[in-house]
Amino acid sequence: AQSVAQPEDQVNVAEGNPLTVKCTYSVSGNPYLFWYVQYPNRGLQFLLKYITGDNLVKGSYGFEAEFNKSQTSFHLKKPSALVSDSALYFCAVRRVTGFQKLVFGTGTRLLVSP
Amino acid sequence: AAGVIQSPRHLIKEKRETATLKCYPIPRHDTVYWYQQGPGQDPQFLISFYEKMQSDKGSIPDRFSAQQFSDYHSELNMSSLELGDSALYFCASSLGTSGTSYNEQFFGPGTRLTVL
Repeated sequence: AQSVAQPEDQVNVAEGNPLTVKCTYSVSGNPYLFWYVQYPNRGLQFLLKYITGDNLVKGSYGFEAEFNKSQTSFHLKKPSALVSDSALYFCAVRRVTGFQKLVFGTGTRLLVSP
Repeated sequence: AAGVIQSPRHLIKEKRETATLKCYPIPRHDTVYWYQQGPGQDPQFLISFYEKMQSDKGSIPDRFSAQQFSDYHSELNMSSLELGDSALYFCASSLGTSGTSYNEQFFGPGTRLTVL
């Protein structure tokens, strides 16, 4: 069975500083990893995905994520945070083959202060 | 670009009533997924359809049923509503098969169901 852990309920960072939102996963076989962002009263917005290839994946709005197979991690990063990045971030995993349901982590609230 | 459309956006029902949520996938997407997000919780997979056939089933109560129609839109039918059914219900769509598919899911804005 697949599972995702987001160990931090909230991450606080000052605008302009780098940010990291942590995610570790567990899946049988090769993982297919995602980050989604959710703004208040809004749907889930796709940020980026990892299938295979380069361990550093670049996504929307300047976000990137680093896949580390040995640590089974897929941390979300951004070199310089914006106040508008404040939102709820979900890491998700599914298997590459077979049924495609996403298993989400519990979410991390990112708060960027001016 | 066209996105996933869900209707209604908000729905208020009484206990024991029924509700129908609708989802219109992105054009040419053939796979639809339903997720339930309770207050302060992560989205939980309910059920999915590929080419009008159920492709996977998660933690969907027996009181709920869903189907995908010939135009690929999907409806989630919920009966004997309970207070605990109050949640945000997301529909997502993708282009894919039940085999290997690298296509991501695109989510709709959700339907917020409140059961009083």
